[in-house]
Amino acid sequence: AQSVTQPDIHITVSEGASLELRCNYSYGATPYLFWYVQSPGQGLQLLLKYFSGDTLVQGIKGFEAEFKRSQSSFNLRKPSVHWSDAAEYFCAVVGSGNTGKLIFGQGTTLQVKP
Amino acid sequence: NAGVMQNPRHLVRRRGQEARLRCSPMKGHSHVYWYRQLPEEGLKFMVYLQKENIIDESGMPKERFSAEFPKEGPSILRIQQVVRGDSAAYFCASSPPTRGQETQYFGPGTRLLVL
Repeated sequence: AQSVTQPDIHITVSEGASLELRCNYSYGATPYLFWYVQSPGQGLQLLLKYFSGDTLVQGIKGFEAEFKRSQSSFNLRKPSVHWSDAAEYFCAVVGSGNTGKLIFGQGTTLQVKP
Repeated sequence: NAGVMQNPRHLVRRRGQEARLRCSPMKGHSHVYWYRQLPEEGLKFMVYLQKENIIDESGMPKERFSAEFPKEGPSILRIQQVVRGDSAAYFCASSPPTRGQETQYFGPGTRLLVL
């Protein structure tokens, strides 16, 4: 069965520091991968997605992610974090069965110190 | 272009009552997904619908939960005889009519509290 693991439940970084959020997936075929961000009390906003092609994908708000098949990873990065980036981040993979349903990781809560 | 609309945003019910959650997809989207987010957990898939059809309900609890997406009007997630464990945020997402690869756009969610 497909699964997504986000090993870090909470991460705290200083404003201006770099950020990397980890995501590992378990999926037999070529995965379709997503990163979403959720601010408190809000819905999910798509940051970026990977379907095929270039393994380094650029997203909104200065985020990027790199697909590494050999490591079954799709880590999210940002070179310089802003206070407004404090939120919860979810990695997701499209499940099997061609229905498009998403399988989410547990989420990583990002706290930004001034 | 309005995004995915969900209402109500907050819903309080007493144990044993019914909860009805509504979702209007983005214009042009004919696929609707419902997800549930329990406290301190990630989102879990519940059901996938197209107009007048349930395509995948593998994530729906076997009892008390039902969903529909009629030809006209919003998609409805219905929870009968709610229990405290149903307290969660329920998110709806929609996507265009191409299966499997399309991005899902999420609504703001309905936060259900069962007293």
